[in-house]
Order: sequence, then C-alpha cells, then structure tokens
Amino acid sequence: GQQVMQIPQYQHVQEGEDFTTYCNSSTTLSNIQWYKQRPGGHPVFLIQLVKSGEVKKQKRLTFQFGEAKKNSSLHITATQTTDVGTYFCAEDLTSGTYKYIFGTGTRLKVLA
Amino acid sequence: ETGVTQSPTHLIKTRGQQVTLRCSSQSGHNTVSWYQQALGQGPQFIFQYYREEENGRGNFPPRFSGLQFPNYSSELNVNALELDDSALYLCASSLSAGGPLNEQYFGPGTRLTVT
Repeated sequence: GQQVMQIPQYQHVQEGEDFTTYCNSSTTLSNIQWYKQRPGGHPVFLIQLVKSGEVKKQKRLTFQFGEAKKNSSLHITATQTTDVGTYFCAEDLTSGTYKYIFGTGTRLKVLA
Repeated sequence: ETGVTQSPTHLIKTRGQQVTLRCSSQSGHNTVSWYQQALGQGPQFIFQYYREEENGRGNFPPRFSGLQFPNYSSELNVNALELDDSALYLCASSLSAGGPLNEQYFGPGTRLTVT
C-alpha cells in the first residue's frame, strides 16, 4: 500500500539523549499530522501542522513543517523512558480532503 | 481514553469467511475513518464515512465495505477473508471530514486473525 517514508526506521537512544524523526513527501502537502503509538496500543494524535515553516512545541517535543511543505520533523529533547513507542507522520492524501496516508514510522527505544 | 470504542477486541476467522467490525465514535464526531495496520507497519487508510456517506477510499478491494449509521457509529465488513487480511483494524473518529478540526481519535482496535 501507499506509505510515506520516515527516517530512521529504528532509533535506540540513552535516556537523556535527543531524538529526531523525519518525514519526507514527494508532493506539496496541505497539512501534516503526527501520532505516537505505544507498543500494543493505538495511535494517539500529537499535533497538526498547516502553515509553511510552522514550528510548534509541546514540552520536550518540537514539530516543524518545511518551508516548501514537503517535509516535517519531530524532535524530542532529553528523552525519557515514557517516550518509547512508534512515531508516525500522516500526510493528507488529497489536498483539502483530509484523508491521510501514514508514514512507515520510527520506532524509538529509550535505554535507561 | 479517546471515547472511541471498537468491538470485538479480538477475532479469529477462517479464510473465505465474512467479518463485521464495529466502531462507536466519540460524542459529537460525524466522521469515521477505518485503517488496517499490519504488524510493524503504519496504518493503511481503508475508507472514511462522513454523515453516513463514503467520503473517500484507499487502495482496498470492494470486498472491504462499510456503513455509517445516523448516530455516526460505523461498521467495517470484509468478505471472502484472505490470510493477508490478518491485522489490527483501527477506526478513528473526527469532528469533521474537512477543515482544521480533523484531529483523529483512534479506538483500541480489533485484532483479526485469519487462518
């Protein structure tokens, strides 16, 4: 099926280290969402980015939308064990219709 | 918790059988989307229902069909089950099919195993 590439696929970090995952699209996006899925759980909405160059922060999480609206990143500062999970970006399938293609995900493991 | 519920939690079916999965959306949400998530993969968009009408479909064959009821709850039906249909089926409700108010709230999912 159609999916969006995210890098890296896996990331193991020591607790306290920073973490970044990137989402890249071949097309210009109208908006992008980020979700977190804990092991055995379901995706949980984190943020939606709409504007070119937009930066949003949630405590230790920083989300960016590229100037060309073709890429996005999620950065976690000073990771904690509670950050463990898979982080997905979700791209709008067709501009303005708000149906999403999910990325391949980045699986984060935090070592205490 | 999101307020989105799904039933059943787990299901085992045999190849060729039919299955119906159910989803109750969060109060006030008129849009439900269904996703298939294979192990280790991201959710794959199946289709979306908005006010009882199909409002978009992903790359899934016609044997995947759905319904949305006046109370905005929804069903996913899969006919002629195949082994590759084994996956976690997620529904997500949102306040609207369009505009900025489309944060999706996912249910816990139904784990379908086809043998």
